[in-house]
Amino acid sequence: EVQLVQSGAEVKKPGESLRISCQGSGNNFNSFYISWVRQMPGKGLEWMGRIAPTDSYTNYSPSFQGHVTISIDKSISTAYLQWGSLKASDTAMYYCVRQTDAESGFIYWGQGTLVTVSS
Amino acid sequence: DIQMTQSPSSLSASVGDRVTITCRASQSISTYLNWYHQKPGKAPRLLVHAASILQSGVPSRFSGTGSGTDFTLTISSLQPEDFATYYCEQSYSTPVTFGQGTKLQIK
Repeated sequence: EVQLVQSGAEVKKPGESLRISCQGSGNNFNSFYISWVRQMPGKGLEWMGRIAPTDSYTNYSPSFQGHVTISIDKSISTAYLQWGSLKASDTAMYYCVRQTDAESGFIYWGQGTLVTVSS
Repeated sequence: DIQMTQSPSSLSASVGDRVTITCRASQSISTYLNWYHQKPGKAPRLLVHAASILQSGVPSRFSGTGSGTDFTLTISSLQPEDFATYYCEQSYSTPVTFGQGTKLQIK
């Protein structure tokens, strides 16, 4: 069974950098896109972007382009979401998600990583 | 970006009720439409993909229909575990977009 295990909660100050991780287990972690989804407190789901494990091609939502970086280390089946300079408005739960093909939907979800940015 | 609009935003219903949630896309998305529900403190769970295909392990009281711009998720007989927030999502083009959510509450 596929599992996505995310790194633990983080508390950071504005302007600090951060990288959170998502490690996959089970079959075919590297076979199709890994995406990241944001959920701000009490709000809905927002797709941030995705990476293709085969060639590390990335595709970002315009809302997040330039503010975050998605990367992957296929050798350890781990995807990353990185900020160079956090803002208070980055406070949210972040989920890594995986689909198995273009029509599958986000079948597999990590447990979420809560990021709190506060001075 | 393709905008996804769900209705209603909230809904009160009783155990055993039949409930329908609708999702409208701002342009045609064929059947690239998925439905999720989310319970408080938990990650979302995929219920239906490709507009009408029930995900493995999802009870048959859930069903999805639609194509193009208009879609529905129906729960034929609400169970206590179904009270949650429901989201639609289009995967026709990037950026992937979600509806704003429908909160299903116990009457």
